[in-house]
Amino acid sequence: AAGVIQSPRHLIKEKRETATLKCYPIPRHDTVYWYQQGPGQDPQFLISFYEKMQSDKGSIPDRFSAQQFSDYHSELNMSSLELGDSALYFCASSFRTSGTKGFPSTDTQYFGPGTRLTVL
Amino acid sequence: GQNIDQPTEMTATEGAIVQINCTYQTSGFNGLFWYQQHAGEAPTFLSYNVLDGLEEKGRFSSFLSRSKGYSYLLLKELQMKDSASYLCAGGFSGNTPLVFGKGTRLSVIA
Repeated sequence: AAGVIQSPRHLIKEKRETATLKCYPIPRHDTVYWYQQGPGQDPQFLISFYEKMQSDKGSIPDRFSAQQFSDYHSELNMSSLELGDSALYFCASSFRTSGTKGFPSTDTQYFGPGTRLTVL
Repeated sequence: GQNIDQPTEMTATEGAIVQINCTYQTSGFNGLFWYQQHAGEAPTFLSYNVLDGLEEKGRFSSFLSRSKGYSYLLLKELQMKDSASYLCAGGFSGNTPLVFGKGTRLSVIA
């Protein structure tokens, strides 16, 4: 089965440079989430999109922006990179459903392999 | 907040059974996810519990008590490859982002 695709898998940048991370969700999935995970940390939610519109915003710095395109792929744009931005960046995708077993829905998120960003 | 609490580390012996507990605040709760994550890799979906009770999938089972705000992941017949972090994640108030616990690092020893 097709999975979430992220590119690039590894990225090395200098401080103050910019970076663009790409995410291609599982076919027919309509929601994309971006997470940042530092060493030994749990994934921290950055931002999500549903049907090409921003749906939730987490701890995303103002230096970062993201969007979801008409083909549902998403890009995370990172500017003025700092040493602390070095982390694994995961994209996850899901398909929005109306609910399950009589309860409101929380759709299962499937994670991509991640992009390891190193800022020097 | 919607705190998700789970133990930081656990160690168990190959072939044994281990139970990883997770507690959460029940306000606005929808369902509970468990993910497995090997170091440097993506979290992999293991289970999703909405209703009370135990759901079994091969060597892995997950339990939920909605009234108690409690879940556990049960791993049987442990194998060395089960050494990983296990993330408990709660879904709250519709399709808002998952709230992850800090993860439980499981070490399986011979």
